[in-house]
Amino acid sequence: ETGVTQTPRHLVMGMTNKKSLKCEQHLGHNAMYWYKQSAKKPLELMFVYSLEERVENNSVPSRFSPECPNSSHLFLHLHTLQPEDSALYLCASSQARGLNTGELFFGEGSRLTVL
Amino acid sequence: AQSVTQLGSHVSVSEGALVLLRCNYSSSVPPYLFWYVQYPNQGLQLLLKYTSAATLVKGINGFEAEFKKSETSFHLTKPSAHMSDAAEYFCAVRFSGYSSASKIIFGSGTRLSIRP
Repeated sequence: ETGVTQTPRHLVMGMTNKKSLKCEQHLGHNAMYWYKQSAKKPLELMFVYSLEERVENNSVPSRFSPECPNSSHLFLHLHTLQPEDSALYLCASSQARGLNTGELFFGEGSRLTVL
Repeated sequence: AQSVTQLGSHVSVSEGALVLLRCNYSSSVPPYLFWYVQYPNQGLQLLLKYTSAATLVKGINGFEAEFKKSETSFHLTKPSAHMSDAAEYFCAVRFSGYSSASKIIFGSGTRLSIRP
């Protein structure tokens, strides 16, 4: 496989469920990201991991919990979500070092529906 | 504050017509600039990027964009629209000063529709 792979592509869960989104990158990058894309809203940066350390957390609710065990894998653990959390969750990676322009490479997204 | 503005949330053109999608940014230092395209139910794909090597940048699918420092703009164009160009387009800016993980800010997106 190449690029950035996200699983599952679609997820439906109740507000009391616990689930996880998975992302894997095969590009040799050293930074990974979670973005949230809701209808009629700009892309929201949720979490950034660079060199396996969390760099930024833009005041995301604690019901979203990221995990980055190594530079190739990123998880988003979900628990007690709200219906307004329904969105497309996009994972991305980049090479964040030296003179690299640092453009993002995205996965195809995980469409989450919270009932 | 650093920002990216895309003028027009929806643009509709006829097949074969010129496509022009507008993007302006606010920064006192020339940043890195990107255009991404998103087809329905897919992630974002890089169309092209400006890295200060040349002000006119050519990308995939016949798109190009011109960096104009005096206007702080990076508009996306294509001479002749094709039905397959219908998608959401995002302008994005990476501001200098962020040396580790990329601090990339996205515009709100422009949905491009193509009329037969």
